Amino acid sequence: AQSVTQLGSHVSVSEGALVLLRCNYSSSVPPYLFWYVQYPNQGLQLLLKYTTGATLVKGINGFEAEFKKSETSFHLTKPSAHMSDAAEYFCAVPSYNQGGKLIFGQGTELSVKP
Amino acid sequence: NAGVMQNPRHLVRRRGQEARLRCSPMKGHSHVYWYRQLPEEGLKFMVYLQKENIIDESGMPKERFSAEFPKEGPSILRIQQVVRGDSAAYFCASSPTGTDNTEAFFGQGTRLTVV
Repeated sequence: AQSVTQLGSHVSVSEGALVLLRCNYSSSVPPYLFWYVQYPNQGLQLLLKYTTGATLVKGINGFEAEFKKSETSFHLTKPSAHMSDAAEYFCAVPSYNQGGKLIFGQGTELSVKP
Repeated sequence: NAGVMQNPRHLVRRRGQEARLRCSPMKGHSHVYWYRQLPEEGLKFMVYLQKENIIDESGMPKERFSAEFPKEGPSILRIQQVVRGDSAAYFCASSPTGTDNTEAFFGQGTRLTVV
């Protein structure tokens, strides 16, 4: 069965610093992978997704993620954090052959200090 | 093209009452998913519906919870005889197809508080 683990429920960075949010997946088949962002009291918005092809995926707001099969990882990065990046971030993987329902990680709350 | 619309945004119910949560998918989307987010937790899948059909309800509690997606109108998540433990944010997502690599678009959620 597919699963997703996000290391670190809270990450705090200074404005302008590198953002690194970790996601590891467990899957018996090559996965599709998603990163979603949730701002306070809002729904989830897709940041980026990996399906096939290039392993470095660029998303919105300057975020990117690299699919590393050998490490079963899909870590999210951004070179320079902005105050507006403060939010909760979720990594997700589809539950295969079950119509696209998503399995989410526990979430990582990102705080950005001035 | 309006996004996924959920209402109400906030719902307060007393223990024992019924809660009805509505979700209108994006135009052209026939696949609807409901998720629950408990405090300090990630989203957990509840149910997957297509028009007039429940495809997967493996995440639904066995009692008090039901969902429907009629031919006309929004999808409804119904919770009967609510208890304090039902307090959570309930999110609906829709997609045009039910395939694994298709982005799901989320609504803003309904935050249910049981008092």
